[in-house]
Amino acid sequence: AQSVTQLGSHVSVSEGALVLLRCNYSSSVPPYLFWYVQYPNQGLQLLLKYTSAATLVKGINGFEAEFKKSETSFHLTKPSAHMSDAAEYFCAVIVDTGRRALTFGSGTRLQVQP
Amino acid sequence: DAGVIQSPRHEVTEMGQEVTLRCKPISGHNSLFWYRQTMMRGLELLIYFNNNVPIDDSGMPEDRFSAKMPNASFSTLKIQPSEPRDSAVYFCASSRGQTSTDTQYFGPGTRLTVL
Repeated sequence: AQSVTQLGSHVSVSEGALVLLRCNYSSSVPPYLFWYVQYPNQGLQLLLKYTSAATLVKGINGFEAEFKKSETSFHLTKPSAHMSDAAEYFCAVIVDTGRRALTFGSGTRLQVQP
Repeated sequence: DAGVIQSPRHEVTEMGQEVTLRCKPISGHNSLFWYRQTMMRGLELLIYFNNNVPIDDSGMPEDRFSAKMPNASFSTLKIQPSEPRDSAVYFCASSRGQTSTDTQYFGPGTRLTVL
């Protein structure tokens, strides 16, 4: 089974609309979850991470994510999309804390329509 | 801080040639990671160093790939000989390395094209 699954390779929203990007993780992995954003031709930037503290995690640029153990989900949301949010978003987990490697989902490309 | 620095940003080479990618991690960071991004396989870890020592190289594709970290401020990823299937974006990332969940900071990547 995949360690982390992102539903929807492409999501399109209107400027000002709610952004919801979905991420589900395997219950067999430790609950260390991350969201990264990648702008065109750039590296990845951390938006937020969950490491067993508060279940609602606030990140940069107005994004937040809620860890729901019962649903094995860690969806990313933003109340109002901005044109500058257009990018690719990756959910990631640490499967093995000894190995420390991030295991990434397949990514979701967010388009924001004017 | 300048962030993670990678060079070159773009590399075009011919099959069979040696390619060397370079990375300078953030000063004070003890862990360094090399990732590869392709359309087919997405983002995947190649190798992870802690305190300049390779800890996990299980992601290195084959013997054609090698990575070194001679000191805390420099790492290289070498491909010899290169093949067209090595075409990808290679990212270097670094973290403080104090805990397994320390934030990994990514460089801008090197886009490698092997003809």
